[in-house]
Amino acid sequence: AQSVAQPEDQVNVAEGNPLTVKCTYSVSGNPYLFWYVQYPNRGLQFLLKYITGDNLVKGSYGFEAEFNKSQTSFHLKKPSALVSDSALYFCAVRDSGPGAGSYQLTFGKGTKLSVIP
Amino acid sequence: AAGVIQSPRHLIKEKRETATLKCYPIPRHDTVYWYQQGPGQDPQFLISFYEKMQSDKGSIPDRFSAQQFSDYHSELNMSSLELGDSALYFCASSLRREYDTQYFGPGTRLTVL
Repeated sequence: AQSVAQPEDQVNVAEGNPLTVKCTYSVSGNPYLFWYVQYPNRGLQFLLKYITGDNLVKGSYGFEAEFNKSQTSFHLKKPSALVSDSALYFCAVRDSGPGAGSYQLTFGKGTKLSVIP
Repeated sequence: AAGVIQSPRHLIKEKRETATLKCYPIPRHDTVYWYQQGPGQDPQFLISFYEKMQSDKGSIPDRFSAQQFSDYHSELNMSSLELGDSALYFCASSLRREYDTQYFGPGTRLTVL
């Protein structure tokens, strides 16, 4: 079974400061990891993904994430937060490999990011 | 770039009624996924289709059924609606490659009264 934990329901950060949204995962094989952002009453927008290779992944809107296999983490980061980054962020995982079977994504509970002007 | 289209965007139904949600995937995407997001919840996988065949099944109630048509659009049919079915229903599409990204539509907000 695959699972995702986002330990913080809410993260507050001042505009211009760096932000981190935490995510840890559990899979039986190798993970495919994703970050999505959801604005109020909107769909999920893809930010970035880790499949293989470089542990630091760069995505949309200046976001990046660092894959750490030993800590089973995939934290989302941005060097300088904008007020417009305020939204709900979801980490998602899919198990890879021929035995994994399903292509379904398993999401974390989400972290509400508030960037304070 | 073309995105996933869902219709209707909003739907209000009474208990025990039926509802049909439609999803039009990104052109050339061959896989469609349905997710349900309850109020304040994370999206939960319901069902997926690849090349018009059901490929994976998640926590979809027996009252719900879905299919993918020859033009790759998909419909989620929901019968005997219950208050607890009120949620945001997302459709996502991708290419059936292991590492491919699922792109989500704007969702259909279903309210059951």
